[in-house]
Amino acid sequence: QSALTQPASVSGSPGQSITISCTGTISDVGSYNLVSWYQQHPGKAPKLMIYEGTKRPSGVSNRFSGSKSGNTASLTISGLQADDEADYYCCSYAGSRTSWVFGGGTKVTVL
Amino acid sequence: QVQLEQSGAEVKKPGASVKVSCKASGYTFTGYFMHWIRQAPGQGLEWMGWINPNSGAINYAQKFRGRVTMTRDTSITTAYMELSGLRSDDTALYYCARGTYYDLWGQGTLVTVSS
Repeated sequence: QSALTQPASVSGSPGQSITISCTGTISDVGSYNLVSWYQQHPGKAPKLMIYEGTKRPSGVSNRFSGSKSGNTASLTISGLQADDEADYYCCSYAGSRTSWVFGGGTKVTVL
Repeated sequence: QVQLEQSGAEVKKPGASVKVSCKASGYTFTGYFMHWIRQAPGQGLEWMGWINPNSGAINYAQKFRGRVTMTRDTSITTAYMELSGLRSDDTALYYCARGTYYDLWGQGTLVTVSS
């Protein structure tokens, strides 16, 4: 069982927007602005899409955006494209004792 | 170019140890923590720990304390992760990843534990 809870799957049609939630606790997501999101295509290493909750690394499309409310972080993909079909993982800092925790991952399907 | 190059796949028997290497190039090795993350077949990502290549300080996930050792050799800009007492459920792809936000990943090293 993962420390952060994500839906197993989310789907949408091309051009639509989808949102993936990542629910933690006051000990991790709720206490730190250190949530990151990763995209993983089959057989590939994960790729950083969002860091510090809302920031995009250079080169990542502005169709990807992050937010947080309380103990839940979210990743929104707007203008869904075929290449967005992948697994997405959230990750949060959880303090010096636990350090870093991941969500169980969400499979995004483009219909 | 900026990259992390990991060592090749390993097959080990239960109870054995494995040591995976991660060679950094194209950036200042001592300027970023190095994290180790694993992914069992068909499963999610699991954080194992980090090493500060500059000081050698380490921090391991509770689950792996006593079994994992992370080291580095700054002269060859390489980080290492050694896992001992291997079990079948340690079969996984092991990744090294750079910095607080894992902005650069190695290609992964498949470790298979089988009798």
